[in-house]
Amino acid sequence: DAGVIQSPRHEVTEMGQEVTLRCKPISGHDYLFWYRQTMMRGLELLIYFNNNVPIDDSGMPEDRFSAKMPNASFSTLKIQPSEPRDSAVYFCASSFLVPGNTIYFGEGSWLTVV
Amino acid sequence: RKEVEQDPGPFNVPEGATVAFNCTYSNSASQSFFWYRQDCRKEPKLLMSVYSSGNEDGRFTAQLNRASQYISLLIRDSKLSDSATYLCVVKTGANNLFFGTGTRLTVIP
Repeated sequence: DAGVIQSPRHEVTEMGQEVTLRCKPISGHDYLFWYRQTMMRGLELLIYFNNNVPIDDSGMPEDRFSAKMPNASFSTLKIQPSEPRDSAVYFCASSFLVPGNTIYFGEGSWLTVV
Repeated sequence: RKEVEQDPGPFNVPEGATVAFNCTYSNSASQSFFWYRQDCRKEPKLLMSVYSSGNEDGRFTAQLNRASQYISLLIRDSKLSDSATYLCVVKTGANNLFFGTGTRLTVIP
């Protein structure tokens, strides 16, 4: 069974460059989440979608971050311009809408901004 | 105050030992509780849900104390393969999952 698929797995980029992270959720899941994980702050929810519609983007750190979900099988998280403090692991996750539902994470995109 | 707080550890225990982690949450309206496991450089994966009456899955026991707003995870007869970071997760609202920063466990031969 295909899980949540993220790309790229690793990216090193220079400050000021645009970064685009991609995610394919598990087929049939109607929720999609973007998380960021750092040593200092742990896992933070950035934004989540329900049926392709953004529901809560209060975790998006600033205007440099944007996320889209043009269809049920694809989402992007974009950082423009990137800064060194954006270096983190970005996880995409998906789930069904049921009580006590489990969310399934992708393997993460490891971003380093130099 | 953070939604979920955990002791980051690390907990270093010998094989066969019993170890317990606690986690506290701030929102009394929280509805669902979970423990996730995260191996080094991997994604978090569900270990077990936590039910009001407490629940057990093999060597793992999870408990919830709503009055004191904490959940716990007990691991008996620790194995080397239990070495990982354990994340406490609290669900509040429709889909607001709050993760603790994790407790790191190392089981030593």
